Amino acid sequence: DAGVTQSPTHLIKTRGQQVTLRCSPKSGHDTVSWYQQALGQGPQFIFQYYEEEERQRGNFPDRFSGHQFPNYSSELNVNALLLGDSALYLCASSTGLTQYFGPGTRLLVL
Amino acid sequence: SQQGEEDPQALSIQEGENATMNCSYKTSINNLQWYRQNSGRGLVHLILIRSNEREKHSGRLRVTLDTSKKSSSLLITASRAADTASYFCATDPDTGRRALTFGSGTRLQVQP
Repeated sequence: DAGVTQSPTHLIKTRGQQVTLRCSPKSGHDTVSWYQQALGQGPQFIFQYYEEEERQRGNFPDRFSGHQFPNYSSELNVNALLLGDSALYLCASSTGLTQYFGPGTRLLVL
Repeated sequence: SQQGEEDPQALSIQEGENATMNCSYKTSINNLQWYRQNSGRGLVHLILIRSNEREKHSGRLRVTLDTSKKSSSLLITASRAADTASYFCATDPDTGRRALTFGSGTRLQVQP
């Protein structure tokens, strides 16, 4: 049984560009959450998707948006990239209390 | 913003010793979870303790929760070099939402 997968593993963008990150949840999981982890910090909650709708959102600007597909996979989009968006982006899937994390996508904004 | 704060920020011990990490948080919780992260990779779930539980064990791991003090501790017994990693506590609020709030982590180094 495959765990949570994310793509790409690494990404380099320049300021002002847009990026799309992808996540496939564990089999049977219907909820996907996205987190941003800056270097040396703990992950911060961006938003969560359930039944193709954003169920809740953390303290992130509207430049961060997402989508969940009927097969429960999800995308995270970030527009107008800033240098401060450089981070590890983690996707987590769940069906109960425990969240299972993917390996992350490391985004570098130059 | 980080709700939880881990203490200490960094810990270095010898193989075979026990490692204790503490976590404090600010708001009411449904449960508290501990995760491990190796070298900036994905987080591995270690253990979940519900707000009505006081202690939980899993292998070499022992977690305690004191909701009156809003604190938790993670004990790793008989540590191994492979336990070298960052450890995070994450709180799940009692609002019914499943958005985890993480602390800043404890970096554990186990010397062989």
